[in-house]
Amino acid sequence: AQSVTQLDSQVPVFEEAPVELRCNYSSSVSVYLFWYVQYPNQGLQLLLKYLSGSTLVKGINGFEAEFNKSQTSFHLRKPSVHISDTAEYFCAVIGGGYQKVTFGTGTKLQVIP
Amino acid sequence: EAQVTQNPRYLITVTGKKLTVTCSQNMNHEYMSWYRQDPGLGLRQIYYSMNVEVTDKGDVPEGYKVSRKEKRNFPLILESPSPNQTSLYFCASSLSQGRSPLHFGNGTRLTVT
Repeated sequence: AQSVTQLDSQVPVFEEAPVELRCNYSSSVSVYLFWYVQYPNQGLQLLLKYLSGSTLVKGINGFEAEFNKSQTSFHLRKPSVHISDTAEYFCAVIGGGYQKVTFGTGTKLQVIP
Repeated sequence: EAQVTQNPRYLITVTGKKLTVTCSQNMNHEYMSWYRQDPGLGLRQIYYSMNVEVTDKGDVPEGYKVSRKEKRNFPLILESPSPNQTSLYFCASSLSQGRSPLHFGNGTRLTVT
């Protein structure tokens, strides 16, 4: 079975500071990894994805994530956050051959002016 | 505009009164799925469909039904709603399962009293 762990339920950070949102996964097979963002009263939108190839993946709005197979992690980073980045962020994994995606419990990023 | 449309956005009902939440996508996607989002639990998959007339259970299917008679529509049916089904529901679609990212609707907030 596959699983996703987002250890931080809330992350407060000052505007223009860097941020890292952590995601660890477990799977017995190779995986596809995704980060989604949910703004208030909206559905989820894709931020970025890792399918194969380069382990550093760049997404929208200046976010990037690094796939680390040995540590089974896919942490999300941004060097300088903006107020508009305040949202909830979800990490998701699909293992090869599985029919469904598994989401983490989400991390609420609060950007403080 | 490519989108996933859910209706209604808000629904308040009483225990035992059958209801249907509609979901429609205009992207000719093969894969569609339903999730519920609860605080601290993230998104959990209820049902998914790989294609027309093909549906399967997700992680939390009890108390729900779905059908996929047409490619674009994937309604969620609660035959006899109970208060523990009070939640925020999302429909999502993708080109296919696996590598393709999910496109989400804006959600349906259901309250069962």
